Amino acid sequence: DQQVKQNSPSLSVQEGRISILNCDYTNSMFDYFLWYKKYPAEGPTFLISISSIKDKNEDGRFTVFLNKSAKHLSLHIVPSQPGDSAVYFCAAKSPRLTQGGSEKLVFGKGTKLTVNP
Amino acid sequence: DAGVIQSPRHEVTEMGQEVTLRCKPISGHDYLFWYRQTMMRGLELLIYFNNNVPIDDSGMPEDRFSAKMPNASFSTLKIQPSEPRDSAVYFCASSPGGSNEQYFGPGTRLTVT
Repeated sequence: DQQVKQNSPSLSVQEGRISILNCDYTNSMFDYFLWYKKYPAEGPTFLISISSIKDKNEDGRFTVFLNKSAKHLSLHIVPSQPGDSAVYFCAAKSPRLTQGGSEKLVFGKGTKLTVNP
Repeated sequence: DAGVIQSPRHEVTEMGQEVTLRCKPISGHDYLFWYRQTMMRGLELLIYFNNNVPIDDSGMPEDRFSAKMPNASFSTLKIQPSEPRDSAVYFCASSPGGSNEQYFGPGTRLTVT
């Protein structure tokens, strides 16, 4: 069963408009969330993150919102640019409970964003 | 820094053959992760190492898969024997201790015919 879900496989928006990518999770132990961006034939690259003690983190055109009660986070891109066209992965991390314990990230399946000029 | 280096970038092999994927993590990173990406399952963690020691291999699909990290600058993922369902993109990532971010290599696209 998937602990991190990105229910929209694809999203298409016009240049200059807002892109909203959504992510839901099931494990309440997750304490840190990340968004990665992936271009074809490249590895994912880190984009932005948020700790579970916050509800918003902003970095330039990118903002991540976290709703813990709903176990939902979203990535907003404003304004969207053609260069933002990529696959976006949501990832979540559990706290390390024991020394040497989990540093694992659990990834969603990704959402392919297309920004049309 | 050159980033995480993976080789080969592409591998085509016949069913039953042994396949070895290689990874050089970023210097100084304590953690190394192997992932597999498929359309059906997305990006899934296979195994990860901390200071060259395997910590969690629960994602390794079968005994046909094995991974080693003989030193801090090199890791291998081996599939023996390979099967067509192993066709996927395999990523290696590394991370410094205390960081939540992982740095990914460009991946190896494996095709098993």
